[in-house]
Amino acid sequence: SQELEQSPQSLIVQEGKNLTINCTSSKTLYGLYWYKQKYGEGLIFLMMLQKGGEEKSHEKITAKLDEKKQQSSLHITASQPSHAGIYLCGAGPYGGSQGNLIFGKGTKLSVKP
Amino acid sequence: KAGVTQTPRYLIKTRGQQVTLSCSPISGHRSVSWYQQTPGQGLQFLFEYFSETQRNKGNFPGRFSGRQFSNSRSEMNVSTLELGDSALYLCASLGGGSDTQYFGPGTRLTVL
Repeated sequence: SQELEQSPQSLIVQEGKNLTINCTSSKTLYGLYWYKQKYGEGLIFLMMLQKGGEEKSHEKITAKLDEKKQQSSLHITASQPSHAGIYLCGAGPYGGSQGNLIFGKGTKLSVKP
Repeated sequence: KAGVTQTPRYLIKTRGQQVTLSCSPISGHRSVSWYQQTPGQGLQFLFEYFSETQRNKGNFPGRFSGRQFSNSRSEMNVSTLELGDSALYLCASLGGGSDTQYFGPGTRLTVL
């Protein structure tokens, strides 16, 4: 079965600093999703990547999927306290419903003002 | 469009009881999935319903069951509750030609 490993598990950065979160899959990724979660709340969709080498950006967050489609990274530029939370990567099955995702354990991000 | 809604938001039960959680998907979405989130195991897939039929199922015991109604609303039931069932239960909906699941705020279940 497919497994997703996220690194680091937690991260504390000073406001204004850049940071990167990684998500590595044990198998080829066919749909890679990034979500953000505030503690104890629901997940907020950030971005979805499907093609090898694909890169998407939204505001100060950029997500990339490597050419081999086994690793994705999430990069935050000039971090702000509003970026704090838990970032989760999720993967969907090949050819199947994307309503059946497996997730990494998450990366907890704290931003110090 | 209104987002995914879940009720109740918080629930406290005792061991041996049963519980039913409810989820209303985004209007027009026909797929509803349920996930369990715990500090130890993280976020794990329970099951997915589409057009009132279970389409996928995760690796959970038969005490966990669900159903979906004709209006796409879904319920999840856990019977004979155990302490280990304490978790945040998240519902997500999918549809409208998109491959992206949108999550509700979750139901926090505490089993005493």
